[in-house]
Amino acid sequence: AQKVTQAQTEISVVEKEDVTLDCVYETRDTTYYLFWYKQPPSGELVFLIRRNSFDEQNEISGRYSWNFQKSTSSFNFTITASQVVDSAVYFCALSEEMDSSYKLIFGSGTRLLVRP
Amino acid sequence: EADIYQTPRYLVIGTGKKITLECSQTMGHDKMYWYQQDPGMELHLIHYSYGVNSTEKGDLSSESTVSRIRTEHFPLTLESARPSHTSQYLCASSSPARNSYEQYFGPGTRLTVT
Repeated sequence: AQKVTQAQTEISVVEKEDVTLDCVYETRDTTYYLFWYKQPPSGELVFLIRRNSFDEQNEISGRYSWNFQKSTSSFNFTITASQVVDSAVYFCALSEEMDSSYKLIFGSGTRLLVRP
Repeated sequence: EADIYQTPRYLVIGTGKKITLECSQTMGHDKMYWYQQDPGMELHLIHYSYGVNSTEKGDLSSESTVSRIRTEHFPLTLESARPSHTSQYLCASSSPARNSYEQYFGPGTRLTVT
């Protein structure tokens, strides 16, 4: 069965620290997509990144970077030099084939608190 | 940037009332979804639609119903609200035709049933 595990329920760091959010997944699909979303206190989910299973290149976008390792079924997210505005709940998600389309399987989320 | 709207943002209503949560998107996406998110944070898919006149139940059983008469509009209705319906409801849309699969979310409706 498809599953996403975010073992870290809550992380608290001091501003400017680096922090890594872990994501481990299980899938039976040979082609799949992985995603990260951010949910700030206002409540909406903001799409951050999509990765397909054939592309294991790491990606960097400003202070954000993602490490996809198929061998360990992990898709970890690192924030460098964290800021208070990074405080949010972060969700990792996995695509699952559904009829002629896909649905997303979400992890339980990691709440990140960045203290000034 | 995603253009998906939900109204109302907050709703407090008494038990037994009928409510409709609105969701609209201006991106022309064919697929739309409703998720329920409890305070424990997990998101659960309760309804989805492939397009006009298509509605399907999701993974989590819900007493709500949905309709899809127009591509851009995917309202969710509770015929008789109960305290157990208290939750945040998030609407999303996607366009896999563009080979992307990510879902774009609205701001959510936080529902409290007293």
